[in-house]
Amino acid sequence: GESVGLHLPTLSVQEGDNSIINCAYSNSASDYFIWYKQESGKGPQFIIDIRSNMDKRQGQRVTVLLNKTVKHLSLQIAATQPGDSAVYFCAERDSTLGRLYFGRGTQLTVWP
Amino acid sequence: SQTIHQWPATLVQPVGSPLSLECTVEGTSNPNLYWYRQAAGRGLQLLFYSVGIGQISSEVPQNLSASRPQDRQFILSSKKLLLSDSGFYLCAWSAFSPNQPQHFGDGTRLSIL
Repeated sequence: GESVGLHLPTLSVQEGDNSIINCAYSNSASDYFIWYKQESGKGPQFIIDIRSNMDKRQGQRVTVLLNKTVKHLSLQIAATQPGDSAVYFCAERDSTLGRLYFGRGTQLTVWP
Repeated sequence: SQTIHQWPATLVQPVGSPLSLECTVEGTSNPNLYWYRQAAGRGLQLLFYSVGIGQISSEVPQNLSASRPQDRQFILSSKKLLLSDSGFYLCAWSAFSPNQPQHFGDGTRLSIL
């Protein structure tokens, strides 16, 4: 079964605010993590990834934080925009099996 | 740049009919290829993956099969569809080296009547 889960299935934020989407994992063998964005009727779109030897990685308006001690992953979106409304998935790679496991997803809704 | 194509985007099939969904990747060589199914409000379930031509690994027993006749072509098939085969099917590719993200196509919405 999936070892990746999410703290909240839905998140509503106001346009311009920062968003934080969380993910918990339980597999100590996970060495690589990815965040995806999925808009309605489309496939998941790669946002950002992080390897287990890192704690933080930044992209354009997004930051991923990895806390290996408590097995927690988060995605921060700065100045959230209506176009950010989507379902966000985290995924972890099991280093022994070499495959990805996906969380259920968090629905982010941005209000004007 | 690399692109991935899936078709058709939507498909309505009667129970007991055959199925063939196709996925092709452009702009890369020797990719890993994947088929997933996504149920509404759920995560992605890996169905098949392939590391090379003719090499298929199945993750779950089911009514479906996969084939990889060419390096950048991945096909999902069934001889006789069941009602439970309805869902959103996604194809993905990743580079052969480890710790690389998977990149997804836009999926096929399959409805079985």
